[in-house]
Amino acid sequence: GAVVSQHPSWVICKSGTSVKIECRSLDFQATTMFWYRQFPKQSLMLMATSNEGSKATYEQGVEKDKFLINHASLTLSTLTVTSAHPEDSSFYICSVAGGVYQETQYFGPGTRLLVL
Amino acid sequence: QKEVEQNSGPLSVPEGAIASLNCTYSDRVSQSFFWYRQYSGKSPELIMSIYSNGDKEDGRFTAQLNKASQYVSLLIRDSQPSDSATYLCAVNLNSGNTPLVFGKGTRLSVIA
Repeated sequence: GAVVSQHPSWVICKSGTSVKIECRSLDFQATTMFWYRQFPKQSLMLMATSNEGSKATYEQGVEKDKFLINHASLTLSTLTVTSAHPEDSSFYICSVAGGVYQETQYFGPGTRLLVL
Repeated sequence: QKEVEQNSGPLSVPEGAIASLNCTYSDRVSQSFFWYRQYSGKSPELIMSIYSNGDKEDGRFTAQLNKASQYVSLLIRDSQPSDSATYLCAVNLNSGNTPLVFGKGTRLSVIA
C-alpha cells in the first residue's frame, strides 16, 4: 500500500497560535488527500477533501477560515489550524488516494495537537 | 444520507476463537468495501478490501460481501490478543476522489 507521512507527530502550542501539519505521500502521486479529526474514544470525522491544484471542499460545520488546507503538489498537503484554542486539541489524520490506489484511502500516522 | 452501520461492541472473544465483525450499508450503488484496523492512539490501517460478492481470504482474515443484502463482514480466525483493536468498515460509492464513508467501528477484545 501507499506510504504516507505526517509531520509533526506531536505538537503542543499556546492558545492563539497557528499550527501547520504536513501530509506527504512518499511513494505515489496522490491526486486527492483527505483530512480527518478524531477526539478521544470517538469516531473519525472527515474535515475536508483536497484535490491537487484546487480549493479544498470542507464538510458541513468545519470552518474553512480556521482550518486552512493547501494541496500544492501531488505529494504534499498541509493543514493549518489558525488561532488554535484548547477545543482544537485532537488527533489530526490525513489520508491519500489516487493513481493505482484510486478507490482506496491510505492513512498517515496522525498528528496529535494539544493546545494549552 | 449514506450510512455505514456497525455494532460498537465491545466484542469479546477468547484467544484462538473466530471473531466475526459485521457491517451494513445504505447505498445500493456502493462499489468497493474496506476494513481498517485502528489500535488505540494510532491511525487506521487498511487490512482488507473487497469488490465483488463472495469471500476473500488473506491469511487469518476473510472478508465477505453480499451486495443483495447490503452487508459486509470480516472474520478473524485464530484470534490473538494483538488483534484487539477497533475495526472500521468503509464503503466507496464510486471513485477515489470521493471520501470513503466510514462506520463508527466495532471494538474487538481478544482475551488470553
